[in-house]
Amino acid sequence: DQQVKQNSPSLSVQEGRISILNCDYTNSMFDYFLWYKKYPAEGPTFLISISSIKDKNEDGRFTVFLNKSAKHLSLHIVPSQPGDSAVYFCAASLTGFQKLVFGTGTRLLVSP
Amino acid sequence: DVKVTQSSRYLVKRTGEKVFLECVQDMDHENMFWYRQDPGLGLRLIYFSYDVKMKEKGDIPEGYSVSREKKERFSLILESASTNQTSMYLCASSLWTSATNEKLFFGSGTQLSVL
Repeated sequence: DQQVKQNSPSLSVQEGRISILNCDYTNSMFDYFLWYKKYPAEGPTFLISISSIKDKNEDGRFTVFLNKSAKHLSLHIVPSQPGDSAVYFCAASLTGFQKLVFGTGTRLLVSP
Repeated sequence: DVKVTQSSRYLVKRTGEKVFLECVQDMDHENMFWYRQDPGLGLRLIYFSYDVKMKEKGDIPEGYSVSREKKERFSLILESASTNQTSMYLCASSLWTSATNEKLFFGSGTQLSVL
């Protein structure tokens, strides 16, 4: 039972354009959401997070949007750069519970 | 910066062997985790530990066990390796907290091949 889903296994974008990665979740109790980026042969690294009390969080070129009624979050990267090419995982958790539930990942390829 | 170190980047083992994957973190984190990453399946939690000698099963614990004798070290054990345990294994750590959310810090991973 996949509680966190990323329905697009891959996404290709041109450099300078916007990349939009999507994530859906089924458990309405989740109250904290994160995005991780993973390069080949490396561990995932934290990118950006959002609490359920917000609907948007920005950090430089990265913005995460949360739509609680739709149980949907998205990561926007503007402008996209070739160095952004990686696998992106969304994750969800409940405050006080120590573990994260991860999605299946989306491979982003940004071409020059 | 938090450092999570996994002892091996690549391992090749035979079916039936007992396999130990070691992980050490240097930030005095209470929580430690073992995930495996497989194409199309994302990261799936095998086991986690929130204190020394404490462990809890994750989503896919079958065929695995863990050991946490010291706070900084968390070991994953494959009692009798099988080919379906060929995977990328990722260790992570985080602070324990009841009131807020703490992000996980990951090691670089161990790519295990079971032949």
